[in-house]
Amino acid sequence: IAGITQAPTSQILAAGRRMTLRCTQDMRHNAMYWYRQDLGLGLRLIHYSNTAGTTGKGEVPDGYSVSRANTDDFPLTLASAVPSQTSVYFCASSPGLAGEQFFGPGTRLTVL
Amino acid sequence: AQKVTQAQTEISVVEKEDVTLDCVYETRDTTYYLFWYKQPPSGELVFLIRRNSFDEQNEISGRYSWNFQKSTSSFNFTITASQVVDSAVYFCALSEARYGGSQGNLIFGKGTKLSVKP
Repeated sequence: IAGITQAPTSQILAAGRRMTLRCTQDMRHNAMYWYRQDLGLGLRLIHYSNTAGTTGKGEVPDGYSVSRANTDDFPLTLASAVPSQTSVYFCASSPGLAGEQFFGPGTRLTVL
Repeated sequence: AQKVTQAQTEISVVEKEDVTLDCVYETRDTTYYLFWYKQPPSGELVFLIRRNSFDEQNEISGRYSWNFQKSTSSFNFTITASQVVDSAVYFCALSEARYGGSQGNLIFGKGTKLSVKP
């Protein structure tokens, strides 16, 4: 593993299903983030984690949950997917306060 | 409230032209950071530059240059002698050095799509 990996690369999901997007980094960064990218809206923060064991809500947290059991992993869960959650999801990590953020390759999610 | 505005939604130029991408930001903090990211058609986000609010010195990196002006809250990006490979969506972003809450999450502009034609 080098940098940040995300899985799956893409997914088509039926509305109402539960889905977990995986994110793993090997840089030992303290901070991790989940963003969604929608056409014309740029990237918006869903949830963040400053360090293992802590999480917080971003700009658009509704319908999503996260956990940070260890430094490397930061999964994003959609408990009951809805079509408005169709988006490209990016995970990012940063070594610390306001540092450069390194982004994963993204997960393209379609909810039908 | 923090906000980043990229007024240019799309720009189209011919190869070898110079092009400037505008970025205007709003923040009440005195300490903050500004970023530019590139998103080529392949979709990944590529870091270009990070600038802190205390360093107004302009920066040049090859064909890329950045002009940071606190007086106008702008952080513009210029590509000199553009090339087809510069075609991408470019995002300007703001991060505040706050303690507690989200440490350094990025507030993105909506992006400017640059098309460089041969």
